[in-house]
Amino acid sequence: NAGVTQTPKFQVLKTGQSMTLQCAQDMNHEYMSWYRQDPGMGLRLIHYSVGAGITDQGEVPNGYNVSRSTTEDFPLRLLSAAPSQTSVYFCASRQGNTGELFFGEGSRLTVL
Amino acid sequence: GNSVTQMEGPVTLSEEAFLTINCTYTATGYPSLFWYVQYPGEGLQLLLKATKADDKGSNKGFEATYRKETTSFHLEKGSVQVSDSAVYFCALSEGSNTGKLIFGQGTTLQVKP
Repeated sequence: NAGVTQTPKFQVLKTGQSMTLQCAQDMNHEYMSWYRQDPGMGLRLIHYSVGAGITDQGEVPNGYNVSRSTTEDFPLRLLSAAPSQTSVYFCASRQGNTGELFFGEGSRLTVL
Repeated sequence: GNSVTQMEGPVTLSEEAFLTINCTYTATGYPSLFWYVQYPGEGLQLLLKATKADDKGSNKGFEATYRKETTSFHLEKGSVQVSDSAVYFCALSEGSNTGKLIFGQGTTLQVKP
C-alpha cells in the first residue's frame, strides 16, 4: 500500500547545481501537486497537474519545472539551485474533486 | 485572492485540556474546508473536512464547524492527549476546476503529560 512515494528524502546541493525530486503515486489519481513548506509560511503550491500532459503554475513556480508524461509520475526539477530553495518539499495527489490530498513523506533539500 | 489565516503557535497544553485552534478564511464562492495534521517527520494527513455551510467535520475526537457568517472553521477537541502533539493546518479548496488547496501557516500543538 505505497500511496505517494517521494525520493530522495534528503539532499544537499551547491548553488547552481540541478536536481530532480521524484514523485510517484499508485492510486491512479489524476491530480498531482508539489508544495514547499517553510517555517511560518505553511505550504505553498509550486506546480500542479490535473492529468497526464497537463501542468500549471501555483503560487511560487519560479525556479522549478515540472512535466507529467504518465498518470503515476510527477517529477519536480530544479535547474539551477539557489539557497532560497532550501525547504521541505511535499508531493500530493487526489482523485477528482474530493478535496482530500494524499501526501508523500517529504523531501528535505538544503542548498549551500 | 483566497487565503487562510490561523492563530499563531505554538500552543502548549496539559493533557486532558480543551483545545481550540482558530482558523478564518477569505474566499469567493463556497469553498470546502479542511484540517490536516502533520506528525513529526511525516507528511500531512487529512483530519477532517466540511463541504458546505453549517457542516461539522469530526474525527478522532476533533471537531470543526463550517461557519459561513463568520468565515471560520475553528478546530476543537475536548480533551487532548500527548499523542495529539503535531502541527495542524487549516486549508480551503479553491474549487472544482483547479483543485488547488490553500493552506494556512500551521499551528504547532504541544501537549505535556
